[in-house]
Amino acid sequence: GQQVMQIPQYQHVQEGEDFTTYCNSSTTLSNIQWYKQRPGGHPVFLIQLVKSGEVKKQKRLTFQFGEAKKNSSLHITATQTTDVGTYFCAGNTGFQKLVFGTGTRLLVSP
Amino acid sequence: SAVISQKPSRDICQRGTSLTIQCQVDSQVTMMFWYRQQPGQSLTLIATANQGSEATYESGFVIDKFPISRPNLTFSTLTVSNMSPEDSSIYLCSVGTGGNIQYFGAGTRLSVL
Repeated sequence: GQQVMQIPQYQHVQEGEDFTTYCNSSTTLSNIQWYKQRPGGHPVFLIQLVKSGEVKKQKRLTFQFGEAKKNSSLHITATQTTDVGTYFCAGNTGFQKLVFGTGTRLLVSP
Repeated sequence: SAVISQKPSRDICQRGTSLTIQCQVDSQVTMMFWYRQQPGQSLTLIATANQGSEATYESGFVIDKFPISRPNLTFSTLTVSNMSPEDSSIYLCSVGTGGNIQYFGAGTRLSVL
């Protein structure tokens, strides 16, 4: 079945440092979404990318969708303690179902 | 977006018993989903709850263990039947909106002793 892997599994940064998580799908995706889950919380939708090579920005967060529509990345510039949580990519192959990536847990120290 | 109420928020249950989790949405939605998330892990889709018909289960999940009801477009239940300690997990409902975006309930934290 379809698999979506993320690296790294875990990253610990100092506040102000940058952070990137990478997402790779075993199959081509129709679109990809990113969710953030705070400790003890539930996943919250961040963004959706649809077009090959698409880049979107939300303040300090930059999202990219690969040309082949099989990979994606999330980059956070100058992390803050509020960025703490687990970031999941989720792939959609044209149906309503999502396949969630393995997740990257981010810890930010002040 | 949608506002989702999920109950109970947590429970501790005895082996062999069953627990029914409720998911209520503040608006009518076509797609409702049930996920399981083990501590520190990703989300695994259990099934898609279809209104007016049987749920569609993913590989590894069966109706006898996880019966699902979807009586209308705003409500669904998931039952975890004949529980064992391996069923200890977080169970999440979500709703799908236009454009495939999903909104999640707060989750049910289940511990089975």
